[in-house]
Amino acid sequence: QKEVEQDPGPLSVPEGAIVSLNCTYSNSAFQYFMWYRQYSRKGPELLMYTYSSGNKEDGRFTAQVDKSSKYISLFIRDSQPSDSATYLCAMRDSGSARQLTFGSGTQLTVLP
Amino acid sequence: DTEVTQTPKHLVMGMTNKKSLKCEQHMGHRAMYWYKQKAKKPPELMFVYSYEKLSINESVPSRFSPECPNSSLLNLHLHALQPEDSALYLCASSQPRPGNEQFFGPGTRLTVL
Repeated sequence: QKEVEQDPGPLSVPEGAIVSLNCTYSNSAFQYFMWYRQYSRKGPELLMYTYSSGNKEDGRFTAQVDKSSKYISLFIRDSQPSDSATYLCAMRDSGSARQLTFGSGTQLTVLP
Repeated sequence: DTEVTQTPKHLVMGMTNKKSLKCEQHMGHRAMYWYKQKAKKPPELMFVYSYEKLSINESVPSRFSPECPNSSLLNLHLHALQPEDSALYLCASSQPRPGNEQFFGPGTRLTVL
């Protein structure tokens, strides 16, 4: 079993839809949770960063962390074609200061 | 400024060539990373430098040789690569404290013929 599971998709939604992307994990030591957006043939771009449980909102993006269920989500409201990309969840524990554990990535297409 | 720059953007090399990838950041970060990413896969960690010293080498073959000349620069020297080494090579940086987020560069797309 992988430490971090993420549905690879592909996921296609119409423009304006609410998108929900999710990851589950098995390591209860993970404390820091990140979402990266990666356009084709580009480097990952940090979208959201959350420590421990709770919600964080930034514009159309909301990140949720539920440590009791070992489940994190990224919601995208009013999705746009420019949101079409691969979304990677990543997480780390407080002891390992360097290494991120990535999900496999979800490929999202927002159709105009 | 949250920018990590990488050069070149694209590189094609033969198996007998020697080439280098370069990475630069001016965010004052003291941890820098090299990752390798194959198509439709997440990035795989190769090396970590913390305060200009190599702290993690993820059992990477010796044909990849990292170098950190100063706190802003990171190089990856390539020699005698194999076609299976073709991938997107990503540099990232962060503060070397737990939880500090990593910022990635745009990557170098490497093709080994």
